[in-house]
Amino acid sequence: GESVGLHLPTLSVQEGDNSIINCAYSNSASDYFIWYKQESGKGPQFIIDIRSNMDKRQGQRVTVLLNKTVKHLSLQIAATQPGDSAVYFCAEGTGRRALTFGSGTRLQVQP
Amino acid sequence: NAGVTQTPKFQVLKTGQSMTLQCAQDMNHEYMSWYRQDPGMGLRLIHYSVGAGITDQGEVPNGYNVSRSTTEDFPLRLLSAAPSQTSVYFCASSPRTGTLYGYTFGSGTRLTVV
Repeated sequence: GESVGLHLPTLSVQEGDNSIINCAYSNSASDYFIWYKQESGKGPQFIIDIRSNMDKRQGQRVTVLLNKTVKHLSLQIAATQPGDSAVYFCAEGTGRRALTFGSGTRLQVQP
Repeated sequence: NAGVTQTPKFQVLKTGQSMTLQCAQDMNHEYMSWYRQDPGMGLRLIHYSVGAGITDQGEVPNGYNVSRSTTEDFPLRLLSAAPSQTSVYFCASSPRTGTLYGYTFGSGTRLTVV
């Protein structure tokens, strides 16, 4: 299949370590933010979301942090596994408009 | 429940040809949208729809048309294909209400224009 993200920034971590993927967003009026995972040849897959009135939300092995002061979003993955290797995108949304995506980060998990 | 279905999965067009990329969802979602993804870039919004009969332009609408005659279907038409439209195209849908407008994506159409 076609490779996605040939020139994306890459984060390389050891299996079992924690990963932190960062994203700067542009619209201070965005209502919500979503992290997606995209494996090669597949469509984006929902990971976790957060509303603009929150600063932290936790899921299974993942945590999203939102800092509205500096318009920064991060995704923390605990105990990173080889299956976590993928390209990760943040996306922001306002009201009923469709999502606006960031440029993505490739996560490589070394065994 | 098939989710979001895109057809075809692969397509090669000659410059100047027209074609329609199909997108169908069976989740009764009101919101549907089309994105394109180029290597090294995120997804860019082409067109979107908030319900049957309603469409609007996104970030990169030129060269594409859409219509939404039913809730289920949201086809994307390339009027006269150009090499710059070589990309991977994703369709996505979202419920009017629900968990923070989470989108469900199709598996993509890989289009090459020669």
